[in-house]
Amino acid sequence: AQTVTQSQPEMSVQEAETVTLSCTYDTSESDYYLFWYKQPPSRQMILVIRQEAYKQQNATENRFSVNFQKAAKSFSLKISDSQLGDAAMYFCAYRSAEGGGADGLTFGKGTHLIIQP
Amino acid sequence: ETGVTQTPRHLVMGMTNKKSLKCEQHLGHNAMYWYKQSAKKPLELMFVYNFKEQTENNSVPSRFSPECPNSSHLFLHLHTLQPEDSALYLCASSLAGTGGAGAEKLFFGSGTQLSVL
Repeated sequence: AQTVTQSQPEMSVQEAETVTLSCTYDTSESDYYLFWYKQPPSRQMILVIRQEAYKQQNATENRFSVNFQKAAKSFSLKISDSQLGDAAMYFCAYRSAEGGGADGLTFGKGTHLIIQP
Repeated sequence: ETGVTQTPRHLVMGMTNKKSLKCEQHLGHNAMYWYKQSAKKPLELMFVYNFKEQTENNSVPSRFSPECPNSSHLFLHLHTLQPEDSALYLCASSLAGTGGAGAEKLFFGSGTQLSVL
């Protein structure tokens, strides 16, 4: 079974600064997907960024980028130019690429990101 | 707005009550999921439906009973719940099994916050 570990229960960053959230995972599979989801107080899980394991290039979405280290099974999220609207719980998630994608995601416990004005 | 709608937003029920949670998606997806989110714990996958057929049941107690009448609607019927079942219940959907680009992404609703007294 796959596991996802987020070792930082809470992180704090000054507005406009850069912050990195950590995530490690454990799997015996070679083909999979990794995600970062954001959950603001509205409770809706919003997809921030996704990474395909067979692609070496790190994914980027505007101010959000990842550092994907497949051998180390590490998948960190970097948020540049932090904004007040970035404050939320951030969840790292794993999904197998096998089985036609009909299974769900395995999530970490989450990191609570605080943005200091 | 992700196109996945959950009702009600909040629910308080006694241990002897029977209630149902509803999820509806207008994204043309064929797979739907129930997750349980408890404090300090990772999101737990409860049920998966793929083309209206249940494909996964992660050892969920029988007091939770899912129903998927069509690909757009998903219900979670609740009866004789326990206080430890109090949690946020999240519904999600995806284009599982199609192999198309982005098929692995899950889109979530805002959840139902359930309190069992």
